[in-house]
Amino acid sequence: EVQLVESGGGLVQPGGSLRLSCAASEFTFSSYNMNWVRQAPGKGLEWVSYISSSSSTIYYADSVKGRFTISRDNAKNSLYLQMNSLRDEDTAVYYCASERGNDYSFQHWGQGTLVTVSS
Amino acid sequence: DIQMTQSPSTLSASVGDRVTITCRASQSISYWLAWYQQKPGKAPKLLISKASTLESGVPSRFSGSGSGTEFTLTISSLQPDDFATYYCQQYNNYWTFGQGTQVEIK
Repeated sequence: EVQLVESGGGLVQPGGSLRLSCAASEFTFSSYNMNWVRQAPGKGLEWVSYISSSSSTIYYADSVKGRFTISRDNAKNSLYLQMNSLRDEDTAVYYCASERGNDYSFQHWGQGTLVTVSS
Repeated sequence: DIQMTQSPSTLSASVGDRVTITCRASQSISYWLAWYQQKPGKAPKLLISKASTLESGVPSRFSGSGSGTEFTLTISSLQPDDFATYYCQQYNNYWTFGQGTQVEIK
């Protein structure tokens, strides 16, 4: 069974930085495009960032462009999200999600990690 | 940017009811639409991709239809396990989710 496990969340002050990780197992991580999606408390889902299987293509939502950096290490079966210049509005549960092999929907999700930006 | 609008935002229904949720895109997305189910404190679960393709293991009471700008998710006979929040998502041009539809017990 595919497993995605996020880590790295926590409490950080506005303007601070945090690095999230997503460890993948039980599937060929290097063959799949990956995404980060977030959900603010009591709110809906917001796509954050995409990285292709080979890291050749990367996209960001406008709300995080220039502040967040997505990356992956296929040798370590891991996905990362470096978050800088954090704002109150970045407070959310962050999920990593893998895409289906033949389209761009999000087939498998991790359990999420909570990031709280507050002074 | 493509905007996704779901209706209704909240739906009250009883076990056994037929339930329909609508999702409208601000421009044509062909059939590049997915539906997800999310329960409190849990990650979303993919139900349907490409507007009407049921994900493996998802009960056949769930179905999806539509193309272009208007889509529907139908639950033919609501079961206790189906009370949850449902999101549509377009993936024709980047990714955008609808605001969600909470299905609650009547």
